[in-house]
Amino acid sequence: GAGVSQSPSNKVTEKGKDVELRCDPISGHTALYWYRQSLGQGLEFLIYFQGNSAPDKSGLPSDRFSAERTGGSVSTLTIQRTQQEDSAVYLCASSLQSGKNQETQYFGPGTRLLVL
Amino acid sequence: GQSLEQPSEVTAVEGAIVQINCTYQTSGFYGLSWYQQHDGGAPTFLSYNGLDGLEETGRFSSFLSRSDSYGYLLLQELQMKDSASYFCASSLSGNTPLVFGKGTRLSVIA
Repeated sequence: GAGVSQSPSNKVTEKGKDVELRCDPISGHTALYWYRQSLGQGLEFLIYFQGNSAPDKSGLPSDRFSAERTGGSVSTLTIQRTQQEDSAVYLCASSLQSGKNQETQYFGPGTRLLVL
Repeated sequence: GQSLEQPSEVTAVEGAIVQINCTYQTSGFYGLSWYQQHDGGAPTFLSYNGLDGLEETGRFSSFLSRSDSYGYLLLQELQMKDSASYFCASSLSGNTPLVFGKGTRLSVIA
């Protein structure tokens, strides 16, 4: 079946503009994660959705960042009033969440965001 | 909180064996995973250790020692295509987000 998809693949925006990044998880995966990766760095956790539970927003760096997950499937990460330090690759991942062991996460190709 | 430490860079010769270490400090621990990421690509899952010991998957093996808060990824018969970044990751429980190390960039040379 199809893997995790993200759009757009690349986004260039001006400082102060809002951007929306989209993630389509693997069908049937109940858990969805957003991470951020700056050049040459590790993955920084942003937000986590699990089924109908309230999302874990503990990783969001500021109130300019928000995310939604509609119908338990597609998710949108919104960054308001973008800043140059927001430039990074934004990665989405999903997992089955069977409740057994540490779940393997399947990553999308990412959205490369450049804020000018 | 959690933190995972791994070397930033490793260089090894094609055909050789290389070990990438990962030490962790966590308030909770639910196993250690390893992910591979090629330049410009998405991270892909390699291996998971929920219990102490060695897990083998083809040319890749991973080891965990909970008493030492330490694990490693072992790559055998290195190939040029193994040049990538390798991340260790852990979580507090089975359904919480992963915390990743900063990654080890492996360069395989001829």
